[in-house]
Amino acid sequence: DTGVSQDPRHKITKRGQNVTFRCDPISEHNRLYWYRQTLGQGPEFLTYFQNEAQLEKSRLLSDRFSAERPKGSFSTLEIQRTEQGDSAMYLCASSPGRANYGYTFGSGTRLTVV
Amino acid sequence: GDSVTQMEGPVTLSEEAFLTINCTYTATGYPSLFWYVQYPGEGLQLLLKATKADDKGSNKGFEATYRKETTSFHLEKGSVQVSDSAVYFCALSGQYSGAGSYQLTFGKGTKLSVIP
Repeated sequence: DTGVSQDPRHKITKRGQNVTFRCDPISEHNRLYWYRQTLGQGPEFLTYFQNEAQLEKSRLLSDRFSAERPKGSFSTLEIQRTEQGDSAMYLCASSPGRANYGYTFGSGTRLTVV
Repeated sequence: GDSVTQMEGPVTLSEEAFLTINCTYTATGYPSLFWYVQYPGEGLQLLLKATKADDKGSNKGFEATYRKETTSFHLEKGSVQVSDSAVYFCALSGQYSGAGSYQLTFGKGTKLSVIP
């Protein structure tokens, strides 16, 4: 088990382009989360999956954002028509079961929109 | 809604100095409390946690006690090392939604630099 993996580590894109990030959680974890972290701030919750079901979405997740977790394994986060304000670190995390033991975070994908 | 307030950094200490990073929170009910650490270029790592009042979380020489009467969860370490240089985040998992997400609310983080 190598922890939570995120790909790519860095992404530079032009404004208006679409980008997609991937997250591979710890295999036995059925909960998966996406967070966004801007410079000098703490992470902010974006969305949550339990297995393949997306059960919660933050109001931060505008219509340009979409997340999937097919078959309850890896997850993707897509941003359409990127804007400069989307520049941030996108963090994925996973956790097991029902108890609140805290998450295991990946190293994140740093997005820069130019 | 839930919120977490941390002391502002950066904090610069000499090696072997005592560390305190203050954290207070606002939440309904009985949240779980966490400290996460982020080293440069890396994701967040869970440092310690406490799930009920008066619990003390500890790990790697760091400690924090869940104080419900003062709504605080201050991080302490008796003797810091250069390798402790990182950004520290206080977080809570409060309102249980019907979806059971246990989403985390983070503070803004406190950057710690330890000099030899």
